[in-house]
Amino acid sequence: GAVVSQHPSWVICKSGTSVKIECRSLDFQATTMFWYRQFPKQSLMLMATSNEGSKATYEQGVEKDKFLINHASLTLSTLTVTSAHPEDSSFYICSALRAVEETQYFGPGTRLLVL
Amino acid sequence: GENVEQHPSTLSVQEGDSAVIKCTYSDSASNYFPWYKQELGKRPQLIIDIRSNVGEKKDQRIAVTLNKTAKHFSLHITETQPEDSAVYFCAASWSGGGADGLTFGKGTHLIIQP
Repeated sequence: GAVVSQHPSWVICKSGTSVKIECRSLDFQATTMFWYRQFPKQSLMLMATSNEGSKATYEQGVEKDKFLINHASLTLSTLTVTSAHPEDSSFYICSALRAVEETQYFGPGTRLLVL
Repeated sequence: GENVEQHPSTLSVQEGDSAVIKCTYSDSASNYFPWYKQELGKRPQLIIDIRSNVGEKKDQRIAVTLNKTAKHFSLHITETQPEDSAVYFCAASWSGGGADGLTFGKGTHLIIQP
């Protein structure tokens, strides 16, 4: 199967600090990964598309300087929430595109709580 | 951009009955329509998907139908079981397999009454 992991699974941080979340495709290579955000009892909202070896593409309304994305290898994308504030508290979920199947596989998510 | 509407927001059915969830989309260029099941606090799990070159797809108790003219697609679950209780999301993408990010509906909380 296609397995995607995320680390950490949950994180609590103080307001003003930065948090890095890793997304890894464990058994396939992914030139494209995606980052979504899900607030409680709401749907998933696409934040950005992460492309290996190039700059990420951000959705309208998502601050690229606040949510830094790096896709340095074919199996790893990272999302860094800079200067986190309580309103950034959310469930962050990545997905990796398995090109041969043309299907996105989701990671288990990272729950971020900013105090 | 794409907009996906999903109904109903909550659906309660008796165990063994069928459940139907409907979605409409706005971008006629969309051609990939997956359905995800999400249990509380867990990742979305792909349960079935359909691409624009077919009108219907079935996998055991789950089926999806697509009407491109009307721009709507539906999830059908037959012989529902307690483990089907979860939140279901439809999504749409304009590239062949979600090679672009997915636009999700708001979700349907499916409750299976024993």
